[in-house]
Amino acid sequence: KNEVEQSPQNLTAQEGEFITINCSYSVGISALHWLQQHPGGGIVSLFMLSSGKKKHGRLIATINIQEKHSSLHITASHPRDSAVYICAVKGPNSNYQLIWGAGTKLIIKP
Amino acid sequence: KAGVTQTPRYLIKTRGQQVTLSCSPISGHRSVSWYQQTPGQGLQFLFEYFSETQRNKGNFPGRFSGRQFSNSRSEMNVSTLELGDSALYLCASSLEQGTTGELFFGEGSRLTVL
Repeated sequence: KNEVEQSPQNLTAQEGEFITINCSYSVGISALHWLQQHPGGGIVSLFMLSSGKKKHGRLIATINIQEKHSSLHITASHPRDSAVYICAVKGPNSNYQLIWGAGTKLIIKP
Repeated sequence: KAGVTQTPRYLIKTRGQQVTLSCSPISGHRSVSWYQQTPGQGLQFLFEYFSETQRNKGNFPGRFSGRQFSNSRSEMNVSTLELGDSALYLCASSLEQGTTGELFFGEGSRLTVL
């Protein structure tokens, strides 16, 4: 079992829909990252959080430390949100390595 | 403020050759980490450099090496290339050592080994 599991693996939705991507992890963490990777390959850091909730524009990230679970929400989704969303955590025994989820491929249809 | 710059963006090599990739971090960032991404795979950590010292290394063979210069620019080298080394190589810079700081990624160097 991977230490970081994302669900769903693939998600196709219509423009305007509310999107939720989940990330569950099995290790204690000091930080969790949500990142976005577009088809060209470049990766953009969306959020880094260790507790609670963060919001940036139409994106919201939440984390529940007790349940070892984080969610990334996209409100009023748009085709330009189509990308792979990746969750990564820094575990307590991984020195400075991040433990990466496999990613969720999101397609928003107009 | 310029972002993370990786060069070259694309390159094609043949088996047995060696390749050097370059990463220039955001000005002021002293941490550079390298990742390999193959089709269908998540990012695999290669190594991290901070202040010219390798701080951590992933589970890759010795053919993969790197270094960091005094201006924080980093290079990674892969010797004796194998077909399986075909991948997108990404670097990320961070203000702080380790990965508790926000990461800024470059566009990547896409290596094809024939």
